[in-house]
Amino acid sequence: RKEVEQDPGPFNVPEGATVAFNCTYSNSASQSFFWYRQDCRKEPKLLMSVYSSGNEDGRFTAQLNRASQYISLLIRDSKLSDSATYLCVVNSWGKLQFGAGTQVVVTP
Amino acid sequence: DGGITQSPKYLFRKEGQNVTLSCEQNLNHDAMYWYRQDPGQGLRLIYYSQIVNDFQKGDIAEGYSVSREKKESFPLTVTSAQKNPTAFYLCASSGYRGGYYEQYFGPGTRLTVT
Repeated sequence: RKEVEQDPGPFNVPEGATVAFNCTYSNSASQSFFWYRQDCRKEPKLLMSVYSSGNEDGRFTAQLNRASQYISLLIRDSKLSDSATYLCVVNSWGKLQFGAGTQVVVTP
Repeated sequence: DGGITQSPKYLFRKEGQNVTLSCEQNLNHDAMYWYRQDPGQGLRLIYYSQIVNDFQKGDIAEGYSVSREKKESFPLTVTSAQKNPTAFYLCASSGYRGGYYEQYFGPGTRLTVT
């Protein structure tokens, strides 16, 4: 079993709609969590850090469920520019584990 | 502007040749990392360094070597012993920002070995 698992997608989302997807992790001792955004053939860019039960930044909301060992990312009012791959990253005692990413495609 | 630079952006080599990828940061971060990314897979850690003159193997260190002689620089050498060197290589550094420990990436080097 992978340490961090994500649905690869793609999630096809009409512009203006809401999309949400999860990431599960296997190490219950993980301390912190991150969502990165990666555009095609570019480096990952930090989108949000999740240190407690959740975090909200504009149209993006991340939630952490420690009991079920997953984090989620919700994007409201999707824009065409939100099309990207979203990487879930889990920090366990200083070691980062990366998911393979969830692809989101926002369509006009 | 603070950031991480990697060069070159694209690199082509013949099989059997060693190649060194550059990574420089001016964020004053102590920790630096090298990852490789293959299509459809998550990033995998090659080497990391928490402080100058010290570095540790990651999950897939075989066929790679690094040095950390300066805080700002963490070059990666892909040796001829690396069986599948063609990949997207990402350098990162970590530091505290707003009370949180976060990791930032350079733009990457896409290596093709034929």
